[in-house]
Amino acid sequence: AQSVTQPDIHITVSEGASLELRCNYSYGATPYLFWYVQSPGQGLQLLLKYFSGDTLVQGIKGFEAEFKRSQSSFNLRKPSVHWSDAAEYFCAVPQLLNTNAGKSTFGDGTTLTVKP
Amino acid sequence: EAQVTQNPRYLITVTGKKLTVTCSQNMNHEYMSWYRQDPGLGLRQIYYSMNVEVTDKGDVPEGYKVSRKEKRNFPLILESPSPNQTSLYFCASSLYEGSPFAQYFGPGTRLTVT
Repeated sequence: AQSVTQPDIHITVSEGASLELRCNYSYGATPYLFWYVQSPGQGLQLLLKYFSGDTLVQGIKGFEAEFKRSQSSFNLRKPSVHWSDAAEYFCAVPQLLNTNAGKSTFGDGTTLTVKP
Repeated sequence: EAQVTQNPRYLITVTGKKLTVTCSQNMNHEYMSWYRQDPGLGLRQIYYSMNVEVTDKGDVPEGYKVSRKEKRNFPLILESPSPNQTSLYFCASSLYEGSPFAQYFGPGTRLTVT
């Protein structure tokens, strides 16, 4: 079964500073990988996705993520954080094959606080 | 506007009183799913459906039922709610071809069971 680990429960960065949120996954083949963002009191919104090909993927709101197979990681980055980026971020991996195709696993989330 | 809608948004009920949370999407998505979100536990999948009349258990299906009679609707049924089902519930949908499992989420339903 797949699994997702987000090692950082809470991260605080200053506005304008760079950001990296970590995601490690376990999956028996090449995974599909996703990052979602949840602003306070809102539902989740897809930030970006990796299916195959270029390991550096661009998303909305200036975010990018890099798939590193050797490290089983899919870390989310942003060069300059804005106060509006304060939210909770989730990494996710679905099961693609066999009888559990469609089962989706999310990490526990990382809460981002942005200091003025 | 492409969206996933859930009703009700807020619900307070008592133990044992059957309830249904509705979920509807207008994007002709094959895949739909229900999650619950609890503090410190992230999102946990309850049930999912790859298409009409096809449903499967997620990680926490106990105490829940679902049905998928139409492509656009995926209701979540709690036959006999208990206090440990107090949670924030999200419905989501996605394509299965083209951009599989890139999910669109509803706004959430906050359920309290007393």
